[in-house]
Amino acid sequence: GENVEQHPSTLSVQEGDSAVIKCTYSDSASNYFPWYKQELGKRPQLIIDIRSNVGEKKDQRIAVTLNKTAKHFSLHITETQPEDSAVYFCAAKGGYSTLTFGKGTMLLVSP
Amino acid sequence: GAVVSQHPSRVICKSGTSVKIECRSLDFQATTMFWYRQFPKQSLMLMATSNEGSKATYEQGVEKDKFLINHASLTLSTLTVTSAHPEDSSFYICSASRGLAGDEQFFGPGTRLTVL
Repeated sequence: GENVEQHPSTLSVQEGDSAVIKCTYSDSASNYFPWYKQELGKRPQLIIDIRSNVGEKKDQRIAVTLNKTAKHFSLHITETQPEDSAVYFCAAKGGYSTLTFGKGTMLLVSP
Repeated sequence: GAVVSQHPSRVICKSGTSVKIECRSLDFQATTMFWYRQFPKQSLMLMATSNEGSKATYEQGVEKDKFLINHASLTLSTLTVTSAHPEDSSFYICSASRGLAGDEQFFGPGTRLTVL
């Protein structure tokens, strides 16, 4: 089955800095890669996703890049704000398979 | 939007009792619903996948007789934790997707189960 590795497990940045979280996946058939933000005790919320037919997608301060050859994808957050502090999960899915989640990255943005 | 509700949000029960958790898609028909378990500071672990009108598919290591899943309609799935024990205490989250190969999953708010 699919295996998703996520790094780093924790990331501390100063407000205004950029943050990058990286994930690798094992199944070359995976074609859908969402990123979720989860605040403590709340539901995961989709913040951005990318499909295998594109290499990059951007939504305001958030961007995701995908390298299918290397089987890795990354989340980029620019101009970080304290409210960006949360746990971020990457995931991968192919066809009729289920989502496989990474172990999460706790992002701490200090004012 | 696509809204998923979950009830109850929090439940405390005694060891040996059973607890039912409901997951509803409020504004769309969910062909497939998923049940996850999340321990503190850990990732979401898929327990089972349920399709309306058919038996749930359980992940390896998940006891189907302990975690009963029913997906009776396109908007409702239930998870029953039978004979709950303290080690079953966790955050249970459901999600739903549209269509058989629908990619995006919409998550419910989760249920915090505490077994005394």
